[in-house]
Amino acid sequence: DAKTTQPNSMESNEEEPVHLPCNHSTISGTDYIHWYRQLPSQGPEYVIHGLTSNVNNRMASLAIAEDRKSSTLILHRATLRDAAVYYCILRDVAGKSTFGDGTTLTVKP
Amino acid sequence: NAGVMQNPRHLVRRRGQEARLRCSPVKGHSHVYWYRQLPEEGLKFMVYLQKENIIDESGMPKERFSAEFPKEGPSILRIQQVVRGDSAAYFCASSPNPSSYNSPLHFGNGTRLTVT
Repeated sequence: DAKTTQPNSMESNEEEPVHLPCNHSTISGTDYIHWYRQLPSQGPEYVIHGLTSNVNNRMASLAIAEDRKSSTLILHRATLRDAAVYYCILRDVAGKSTFGDGTTLTVKP
Repeated sequence: NAGVMQNPRHLVRRRGQEARLRCSPVKGHSHVYWYRQLPEEGLKFMVYLQKENIIDESGMPKERFSAEFPKEGPSILRIQQVVRGDSAAYFCASSPNPSSYNSPLHFGNGTRLTVT
């Protein structure tokens, strides 16, 4: 399985943008990049996904490097409710998805 | 609520007993995945199933663990003769179609298994 690496933790101030990086240097041509986040005592929640082009939705934006070896999840204005563990994963054609340890985002008021 | 439903939310078993964890996917979803999460750790893939078929069980221990997703009814993760090391949160996710890698995973809120 292609692996992803993320920083263990990041901090942000409320109402400021947050850029969460992810490296996936062994990504294959058909792997989709997905982001999920997990609040305490809950299951992971889908945030966004993409293949090659940058993507926007109501929750976040996803910027994918031209060589696809890295990506960045962008939260445009962090709120206290965005404090969570963020996982960047690759989904392959077989459907299997391997999660790493994620980035714990702390949002300071 | 049409999301993934897992039950029970909390399950306590004594060592040596059996644990049965149930997962009802989103209506119409035919792919189910099970993950295990130990405290303070990320999610570890266990098994991927389609209706009546196990597609990938490479993350599931060979002994004591089994999974099924019958034609009718929920997916079941079964752990026989539980040990303390099985204590964890078990999450189920579902996705909708054959091109599942392009579809988001929908997760349930998990079953927290405690083995005493």
